[in-house]
Amino acid sequence: QKEVEQNSGPLSVPEGAIASLNCTYSDRGSQSFFWYRQYSGKSPELIMSIYSNGDKEDGRFTAQLNKASQYVSLLIRDSQPSDSATYLCAVNQNTGFQKLVFGTGTRLLVSP
Amino acid sequence: GAVVSQHPSWVICKSGTSVKIECRSLDFQATTMFWYRQFPKQSLMLMATSNEGSKATYEQGVEKDKFLINHASLTLSTLTVTSAHPEDSSFYICSASPPGGAVLNYGYTFGSGTRLTVV
Repeated sequence: QKEVEQNSGPLSVPEGAIASLNCTYSDRGSQSFFWYRQYSGKSPELIMSIYSNGDKEDGRFTAQLNKASQYVSLLIRDSQPSDSATYLCAVNQNTGFQKLVFGTGTRLLVSP
Repeated sequence: GAVVSQHPSWVICKSGTSVKIECRSLDFQATTMFWYRQFPKQSLMLMATSNEGSKATYEQGVEKDKFLINHASLTLSTLTVTSAHPEDSSFYICSASPPGGAVLNYGYTFGSGTRLTVV
C-alpha cells in the first residue's frame, strides 16, 4: 500500500463546476496535510493546509480532513480553466525532520 | 515571507560532467532542506533530507556518492550531481522547512526547480 494515494485522473469538469479531489494516507500518526498545485514544468505551490478534522475554507478552495478514515479532500468551487493543473496531496510524516510524502497527483482539466 | 531561491533554473551538461544546484532560503533560516526529483508525468520523489552542519539523510535507492549534498549554512544547500548521465535528466526541486512549528501551518516552500538535461 502506498503511503499517500490519489487517483491520477484526469478529472475533467466544465467551467463553473465543483471539482472534488481525494487522497488517502496510511500513516495514522500524520499530523498535517497539504494540497499543492503544480503546473506543467513548474514547482509545486501550496494551496491549502489542514490539520484538524473537518473543513477549512479559503476562497474557492475547501479542504476536508477525516483522520478516522485517513482521508483528505480538496473541493474547488466555480472551477476555472486556469485551475487546470496537477494537484498533489502531501502528508507530513511524524518524524523528527517533518518529512513530506507526496501522492502521485491528480490531473484536473477544466474545460471552458 | 518564506521565499526559496533555486539556481540554475535549467542546465544542459555533457555526460560524465558534474552539475551543482543551489537552494537558498532568502528570508528565513532553514535548518532542514529537502531535495526532490521529478520525472515527466510522475510525482515528486524525495531524494534526501539536508541538515545544516551534518550529513544528509538519503532515501533508499538514492546513491549518496552520486548526489552530493552540502548544507554548510542556515540559508544554503547545494546538490551536486556527479558524473551525470542521460538517465539523471530530470526536474530537481528543493524545499525548505520554516523554523519551529510553522511547517504545520504553512507547509514547505519550494524552489522554482532545476531542469537538468544530460546529453
